[in-house]
Amino acid sequence: NAGVTQTPKFQVLKTGQSMTLQCAQDMNHEYMSWYRQDPGMGLRLIHYSVGAGITDQGEVPNGYNVSRSTTEDFPLRLLSAAPSQTSVYFCASSRGTAPGDEQFFGPGTRLTVL
Amino acid sequence: AQSVTQLGSHVSVSEGALVLLRCNYSSSVPPYLFWYVQYPNQGLQLLLKYTTGATLVKGINGFEAEFKKSETSFHLTKPSAHMSDAAEYFCAVSPYDKIIFGKGTRLHILP
Repeated sequence: NAGVTQTPKFQVLKTGQSMTLQCAQDMNHEYMSWYRQDPGMGLRLIHYSVGAGITDQGEVPNGYNVSRSTTEDFPLRLLSAAPSQTSVYFCASSRGTAPGDEQFFGPGTRLTVL
Repeated sequence: AQSVTQLGSHVSVSEGALVLLRCNYSSSVPPYLFWYVQYPNQGLQLLLKYTTGATLVKGINGFEAEFKKSETSFHLTKPSAHMSDAAEYFCAVSPYDKIIFGKGTRLHILP
């Protein structure tokens, strides 16, 4: 199993550009989520999905879109990048939505917006 | 509302000394509690978790944590620190279908 994979590893954007961060998992997990990690802020939930076709907002959803057309993939779209979106982005998945389910994290995408 | 507070954004211990990373939580329902570790330039990985049952939970790499309901705490300990333990550690609580992370504690190991 590859687990949770993310592409790209690094990305530099100019303000106003759009892009998609890719996330895929091969564990047949129902639950997938996106976090951003900023120094001193821990991980903050952006969007999550409890299954194909179902998404919901997390703590900091503004400026980001998601969709879940398949169980495996959960892309995160930046519509018009802003410097405040400079961060490290992590995708995670878990078997289900039960509170005790372990989340498996991807290696992260480091995004810089100039 | 559920929340997690980690005391100390940076903790330094000498190699071979006791590691103690503090975590307090707030939850209106019985919580599920986690400790995750993040090594440099990597994603997070699970160290240990408490769901129900025994309040002393053992995890990987010699770490353990004790759930104390009366103190709303879930502190992480390791008897003897190793250089390879240098990393950032996150405490998390999962009341329902989301997981809420603390801000993290960076552990430094002094030779």
